[in-house]
Amino acid sequence: TQLLEQSPQFLSIQEGENLTVYCNSSSVFSSLQWYRQEPGEGPVLLVTVVTGGEVKKLKRLTFQFGDARKDSSLHITAAQPGDTGLYLCAGRGQNFVFGPGTRLSVLP
Amino acid sequence: DAGITQSPRYKITETGRQVTLMCHQTWSHSYMFWYRQDLGHGLRLIYYSAAADITDKGEVPDGYVVSRSKTENFPLTLESATRSQTSVYFCASSETADSGNTIYFGEGSWLTVV
Repeated sequence: TQLLEQSPQFLSIQEGENLTVYCNSSSVFSSLQWYRQEPGEGPVLLVTVVTGGEVKKLKRLTFQFGDARKDSSLHITAAQPGDTGLYLCAGRGQNFVFGPGTRLSVLP
Repeated sequence: DAGITQSPRYKITETGRQVTLMCHQTWSHSYMFWYRQDLGHGLRLIYYSAAADITDKGEVPDGYVVSRSKTENFPLTLESATRSQTSVYFCASSETADSGNTIYFGEGSWLTVV
């Protein structure tokens, strides 16, 4: 069974700070996706990375896929209260496997 | 507006009762999924379907039944609800099973079994 771990589990920061959250596995994935989930809603896709070492930027969010395609990171620059939510990574194996998520709270 | 809708959004039921959660998508996506989300476990796949009349078990299928007689509908039935099935259930769909394909989620169904 392919498992994904995410760290930290919870993160509370002030507006304007930078942060990085991590997604790790002992398994290789053909692709990895990051989703954001807001309270009372389903997850929404942020990005898909498919190539080892790939870096993608989405405004203030930077996503990186590890060279060995076993891990990924999400860096947020100058976090804003609107970034608050649950960030989930999902690795593509036989099916998509989701990590438990990092719950981010950005305080104004 | 196209999308994926779930019903009911909230349900309280008693132990032993049968409960069906409905899921409808308007995109004609081939793949549909049912996940449950619990604190500390993230999203776990219950069942998925690659096309009408094709279903397969996911990570946690015990106690659940699915069917897919039409492409757009994928109901999930709890045959005899247990308290451990109290959870938030998400239906999802995707066009294909390719690595880069987006999974679109419904808004979730909150189920409490008392």
